[in-house]
Amino acid sequence: GAGVSQSPSNKVTEKGKDVELRCDPISGHTALYWYRQRLGQGLEFLIYFQGNSAPDKSGLPSDRFSAERTGESVSTLTIQRTQQEDSAVYLCASSLARGTGYLYGYTFGSGTRLTVV
Amino acid sequence: AQSVTQLGSHVSVSEGALVLLRCNYSSSVPPYLFWYVQYPNQGLQLLLKYTSAATLVKGINGFEAEFKKSETSFHLTKPSAHMSDAAEYFCAVSGPLNDYKLSFGAGTTVTVRA
Repeated sequence: GAGVSQSPSNKVTEKGKDVELRCDPISGHTALYWYRQRLGQGLEFLIYFQGNSAPDKSGLPSDRFSAERTGESVSTLTIQRTQQEDSAVYLCASSLARGTGYLYGYTFGSGTRLTVV
Repeated sequence: AQSVTQLGSHVSVSEGALVLLRCNYSSSVPPYLFWYVQYPNQGLQLLLKYTSAATLVKGINGFEAEFKKSETSFHLTKPSAHMSDAAEYFCAVSGPLNDYKLSFGAGTTVTVRA
């Protein structure tokens, strides 16, 4: 597609439920990134994919968080047993390949606003 | 480890006045530095980047930033603010060892007064 697409744009869930957030990167972008933006804070790195492997998932806050990617396409971020502190905007970005982000910049999606009640 | 600090969470300027957003970085290796803008309910858009070429970097929408190694700074400026500049601005850093990972500042919200 023309840009990075994320769905849903908004999600309200009850504490303890599982949620899945979806990211469609730009076609041909092999690198994909997930970030979390809490209210009033900067973005926190969660995980990086090169193709369908995740060389760095050091930013995932707990084992309730997991992510996968199908080939060089769609990625899904799953949060199990959601807690109120998981409320945030989850942003996905993609770039042509690792290392090109600093050359060309990363293309970010509009994010999924997750609210846990 | 690399990090950035943005001074001032909110900046208010009059239309036509200078916009100055401050960013200081910490890095043990030559950094790559970025400024992103985020409009309400939108993703982040790259304004400009420094990747060890010219120290004065020009970006989109009339913004520019100067890399000053001696001051470990990468402040963002625009000579004349426009109403459309109202947004949140983020400074970010990465480096050659982890060029895929951006470390962001907390952001500065800019409001423009008519």
